Amino acid sequence: DMKVTQMPRYLIKRMGENVLLECGQDMSHETMYWYRQDPGLGLQLIYISYDVDSNSEGDIPKGYRVSRKKREHFSLILDSAKTNQTSVYFCASSLLGTGGSISNERLFFGHGTKLSVL
Amino acid sequence: KTQVEQSPQSLVVRQGENCVLQCNYSVTPDNHLRWFKQDTGKGLVSLTVLVDQKDKTSNGRYSATLDKDAKHSTLHITATLLDDTATYICVVGDRGSALGRLHFGAGTQLIVIP
Repeated sequence: DMKVTQMPRYLIKRMGENVLLECGQDMSHETMYWYRQDPGLGLQLIYISYDVDSNSEGDIPKGYRVSRKKREHFSLILDSAKTNQTSVYFCASSLLGTGGSISNERLFFGHGTKLSVL
Repeated sequence: KTQVEQSPQSLVVRQGENCVLQCNYSVTPDNHLRWFKQDTGKGLVSLTVLVDQKDKTSNGRYSATLDKDAKHSTLHITATLLDDTATYICVVGDRGSALGRLHFGAGTQLIVIP
């Protein structure tokens, strides 16, 4: 059963604390993503990882960093969390289809981590 | 600036009715467009992907159209069920794979009532 697993599901932190969000996938996908979702806005890309230790900034990387030491595991780290980082964070992974056809490409999302920074 | 606009923001229909969700975008280039379903508190699940200049897809009770000239897509849901209650998200990809930038709409919240 192909899936993306995020831990924890809910997290409450105080401003200034460090935060670690974990994501795992069991499909050996090379590409993984971290997004955040805020009310009334579309998902925004924080970081993208093309494989182990091959990470690139997305649209809103400030205040975040990532770590990918194993293909199946991608972490999002907030050093000294801020209240405006309260959000729902989604991890995703993708598998390119046969022959590189976009029609066959599949995107898998985790259930999200709801982070509240007080 | 928002490059993917979805309408309506929310929609209430009775079980068994049909509905149409709209997506207008300004993303360039617009390589492909995806529709996702997001149940409350869950992740996004892909419904369909449209690729061609004028494209149509069908997936059970879900059908979708894309007109790249108009930069417009529709998602039709026929004979709605209570389980169709969810947020439907339109996503435009600017390259031929998810390695390109994906532009997400804010979603249409669909509520199906008995």
